[in-house]
Amino acid sequence: AQKITQTQPGMFVQEKEAVTLDCTYDTSDQSYGLFWYKQPSSGEMIFLIYQGSYDEQNATEGRYSLNFQKARKSANLVISASQLGDSAMYFCAIPNYGQNFVFGPGTRLSVLP
Amino acid sequence: GAGVSQSPSNKVTEKGKDVELRCDPISGHTALYWYRQRLGQGLEFLIYFQGNSAPDKSGLPSDRFSAERTGESVSTLTIQRTQQEDSAVYLCASSSVLGRGRQETQYFGPGTRLLVL
Repeated sequence: AQKITQTQPGMFVQEKEAVTLDCTYDTSDQSYGLFWYKQPSSGEMIFLIYQGSYDEQNATEGRYSLNFQKARKSANLVISASQLGDSAMYFCAIPNYGQNFVFGPGTRLSVLP
Repeated sequence: GAGVSQSPSNKVTEKGKDVELRCDPISGHTALYWYRQRLGQGLEFLIYFQGNSAPDKSGLPSDRFSAERTGESVSTLTIQRTQQEDSAVYLCASSSVLGRGRQETQYFGPGTRLLVL
C-alpha cells in the first residue's frame, strides 16, 4: 500500500526567502506520480505540481519546484521567494492506483513579514 | 472552464437527521472522489467513482454513509442518522482519467462544512 510521510508539522519562513517542505513516500509501483497540494485557510485544495517517477528532470511550476530523489523515495517541495499568501497547509500525495490518492498529514507553512 | 462545485457550502444539522451533499465535477471528468477532513487533520478517503460505478466502498466509515453518481456527472453523498463525529469538511474531487500520469491530477471543490449538533 502507498504511504506518505511529512515529518514537519509546522514550518516558518521569512518573506522572500526559500523554504523546503519534506515528503517521503513508500510504494511498490515502478511507475508512479507524486502530487503536491496547497490548502489555505479557506479550505480548498489547490493543485501545485506533479512529478512523474520516470521524468528525467525535476518538476517546476513558477516558484514551485520539486527536489525529487527517486532512490531515496523523497519528493521535497521547494518554494522560492516566499510570499505572505503562501501561508497554508501543504500536502504531498501519491495515487493508490485505480482508486484514490493517499495524502500525507501535511505541513503548515507560516510566512513571516 | 468551471471547476468542481459542491453544495451546500455549509450545513448545520441535528443529530439523527439525514443530510445530502452534492458534487458537480469538471465536465468530462470520468473519475470522481469523496474525502472527509476533520478539523486540523489530513484527508480521509471515502469512495471513488469510475463513471457511475463505485468499485470499492470499503472506505465509507459506516453503513450510514452512501454515495451515488448519475450520468457520469453529479454525485451525491448521503449520511443517514448523522452523529456528532460526522462533523467535518467533505471534499469532492474529479480527474479526467483514472490511471497513470499527470492526467490523473485530482481537482477539488471548495468542500461542504458539516456540523452536527
